[in-house]
Amino acid sequence: GAVVSQHPSRVICKSGTSVKIECRSLDFQATTMFWYRQFPKQSLMLMATSNEGSKATYEQGVEKDKFLINHASLTLSTLTVTSAHPEDSSFYICSARPMEGGGWETQYFGPGTRLLVL
Amino acid sequence: GQNIDQPTEMTATEGAIVQINCTYQTSGFNGLFWYQQHAGEAPTFLSYNVLDGLEEKGRFSSFLSRSKGYSYLLLKELQMKDSASYLCAAMDSNYQLIWGAGTKLIIKP
Repeated sequence: GAVVSQHPSRVICKSGTSVKIECRSLDFQATTMFWYRQFPKQSLMLMATSNEGSKATYEQGVEKDKFLINHASLTLSTLTVTSAHPEDSSFYICSARPMEGGGWETQYFGPGTRLLVL
Repeated sequence: GQNIDQPTEMTATEGAIVQINCTYQTSGFNGLFWYQQHAGEAPTFLSYNVLDGLEEKGRFSSFLSRSKGYSYLLLKELQMKDSASYLCAAMDSNYQLIWGAGTKLIIKP
């Protein structure tokens, strides 16, 4: 099946620093990638939709200047949390939708990145 | 508005059968997904229904009724490893997923 990787899997940083999270589709091309945030015992919350070669579409309430998204290629999207604060500590998950072929509607999830801001 | 409803928590016994229900209201409809998520891990895809009826895949089956805005996930021969959260998500007319809050399934021996 389709594989999506995320790096790093876990990161601890000091308040005020920036953290970059990478999301890669390993065996398929994805024109669309999604970034989610999940707080403990809550469901997924879509932050933004990332389209290759164009600006990301952010959900209401998500600051685009704080959560920078770059989708430079058909297999890579990055999320940078700028000037991170303790309230940004969360589980960040990306997903990718295959470009074509059967099951294109399906999103395949990366393993997630657990961010802890001290 | 768009909304997904599913029970917060369910408990079942190992070896038994459990049905997790989901009702949805979306602007347009392009299918209903079920994902499994173990604690601390990302969701994994279980099923996708876009037509009415029952789709069976091993111990897991998923049902959809578009006229009722209703789906269920049926888990048979429950195993301890099935303890997880089960997320229902409906795809709207813009092909965006609308997520439910998830149902935490607890399996007891």
